[in-house]
Amino acid sequence: VIWMTQSPSLLSASTGDRVTISCRMSQGISSYLAWYQQKPGKAPELLIYAASTLQSGVPSRFSGSGSGTDFTLTISCLQSEDFATYYCQQYYSFPRTFGQGTKLEIK
Amino acid sequence: QLQLQESGPGLVKPSETLSLTCTVSGGSISSSSYYWGWIRQPPGKGLEWIGSIYYSGSTYYNPSLKSRVTISVDTSKNQFSLKLSSVTAADTAVYYCARDFIWGQGTMVTVSS
Repeated sequence: VIWMTQSPSLLSASTGDRVTISCRMSQGISSYLAWYQQKPGKAPELLIYAASTLQSGVPSRFSGSGSGTDFTLTISCLQSEDFATYYCQQYYSFPRTFGQGTKLEIK
Repeated sequence: QLQLQESGPGLVKPSETLSLTCTVSGGSISSSSYYWGWIRQPPGKGLEWIGSIYYSGSTYYNPSLKSRVTISVDTSKNQFSLKLSSVTAADTAVYYCARDFIWGQGTMVTVSS
């Protein structure tokens, strides 16, 4: 099983800020990492796959980086609609695993 | 455009079997090399991968649930299903079906007598 450590679990920020969320793997997964955004009462929506590829329709203020064991999601200029919970997921091997989630809240 | 829709009982009694179906539209479940899977999310908690089935029929399960889970495909109906046996209150969650990164809207299942 590949264990994932996502941090921070809670992030307070203001509109216009630049924020980063980290995801660390217990073993290397090449670039088989996805990032999701989830809003209350909704299903998670894909933001980034293959660690750094932006899903079609996702604003360019979202970006992903990393490979191997360390990955980062960056939101360059927070908008009001970005306050949500974010999850990373590895799809390098089974069982698939998710990070614990990062709740991004308004400061 | 591919869409997935979960369906099934919203209330299941303890010790019984939870059964959900995912209906796929906008694409054939058997025509492409994708993984079709189930994920769940207990109220107020994070995401837990339950298991996946490959279009060829190979299955992969979460080790923590493996003894209770069965995922199968019905290509004639373009559906795949989840069965989780011997449920307890800890299995109360929103259950999502997904094809790789495309998810259904989810369905809430409560385990209670």
